[in-house]
Amino acid sequence: TQLLEQSPQFLSIQEGENLTVYCNSSSVFSSLQWYRQEPGEGPVLLVTVVTGGEVKKLKRLTFQFGDARKDSSLHITAAQPGDTGLYLCAGGGSGGSNYKLTFGKGTLLTVNP
Amino acid sequence: DAGVIQSPRHEVTEMGQEVTLRCKPISGHDYLFWYRQTMMRGLELLIYFNNNVPIDDSGMPEDRFSAKMPNASFSTLKIQPSEPRDSAVYFCASSPLMGPAAKQYFGPGTRLTVT
Repeated sequence: TQLLEQSPQFLSIQEGENLTVYCNSSSVFSSLQWYRQEPGEGPVLLVTVVTGGEVKKLKRLTFQFGDARKDSSLHITAAQPGDTGLYLCAGGGSGGSNYKLTFGKGTLLTVNP
Repeated sequence: DAGVIQSPRHEVTEMGQEVTLRCKPISGHDYLFWYRQTMMRGLELLIYFNNNVPIDDSGMPEDRFSAKMPNASFSTLKIQPSEPRDSAVYFCASSPLMGPAAKQYFGPGTRLTVT
């Protein structure tokens, strides 16, 4: 079974601060996705990374896939209250015909005004 | 597009009762997924369909759970009989394809409480 560990589990910061959350595994994934989930809603995809060492930026969010494709990080610059939510990472399967996702338990981020 | 539609949004039932959750995927999406989310276990894949055919049900916890997809626009997840440990938020998601870059579109979820 492929497992994804996310840290920290909870994070509460002030508006304007920077933060990094982590997603780690002992398994290799063909892809890594980050989702954000707001209360009462389903997760929404933010980004997909597929190449070891890949870095993608989405406005103030920077996503990195580890060289060995076992880990990933999400860095938010100058956090805003609108960034509040549950951040989930999800690893894609090892290939072939089965790319089902394995999700971490998430990091619950609260950005206080 | 209306997105993935789930009903009901909330369900409260007593232990032993049958519960049916419903999902309408996004039109044209060939893949449909059922997930369960709890604080303890996070988001877990229960089963997924391709073109209405169940492909992988290895995440279905036990025989009390069953899922069907009679046509491309409708799927159900049934729990019979329900137990308190089934209390969770159940999500349906759909995707036009499957692969490393595939994006899954999630519905708003059904919050199930079994007393």
